[in-house]
Amino acid sequence: GAGVSQSPSNKVTEKGKDVELRCDPISGHTALYWYRQSLGQGLEFLIYFQGNSAPDKSGLPSDRFSAERTGGSVSTLTIQRTQQEDSAVYLCASSLGRVSRETQYFGPGTRLLVL
Amino acid sequence: GQQLNQSPQSMFIQEGEDVSMNCTSSSIFNTWLWYKQEPGEGPVLLIALYKAGELTSNGRLTAQFGITRKDSFLNISASIPSDVGIYFCAGQLAGNQFYFGTGTSLTVIP
Repeated sequence: GAGVSQSPSNKVTEKGKDVELRCDPISGHTALYWYRQSLGQGLEFLIYFQGNSAPDKSGLPSDRFSAERTGGSVSTLTIQRTQQEDSAVYLCASSLGRVSRETQYFGPGTRLLVL
Repeated sequence: GQQLNQSPQSMFIQEGEDVSMNCTSSSIFNTWLWYKQEPGEGPVLLIALYKAGELTSNGRLTAQFGITRKDSFLNISASIPSDVGIYFCAGQLAGNQFYFGTGTSLTVIP
């Protein structure tokens, strides 16, 4: 597709359940970012993938959060044993992966509600 | 993490008025970015600034990269109803390090 796509667009789950969120970046983009956006807040960096390099996981809030990027393309963000405070919009972005003048293109997000 | 202070938090203006919002930081950034987010969508890049002092326009939007590299502003001239949304600033340090402001919610009253 032309842009970054994310699925599902909405997810309602019960506390304690695991969820998987998917991101399809723009074709050819080697860099992929996950952010969390809580109500009325800015974007909180979670994790960054660049090509085949080890991901930058410094933003993951706890060990319940993990992410994979298979084949340098699609990425999955997994939240285990979800808590109510995990409720937020999870945004994925991709970019070409250049050193400078990098522009991120965002997907529409997955709205997660943990009951 | 880095703290970006974005103000104002929200604005309610009449159609046709000009709008100004800004971001400040305690850190020096290499790049300043301005995004707009509409309901149910991800942020969309409006303007990117790469050099201290740079002034860039995109239609009715104008943004500047502060001389100190610690601040940036975004102006919208002659606002129209479709300008409604949340505007975010973002600063980029080296490589993949992007930090976002908390957003300015803009409401335009016809």
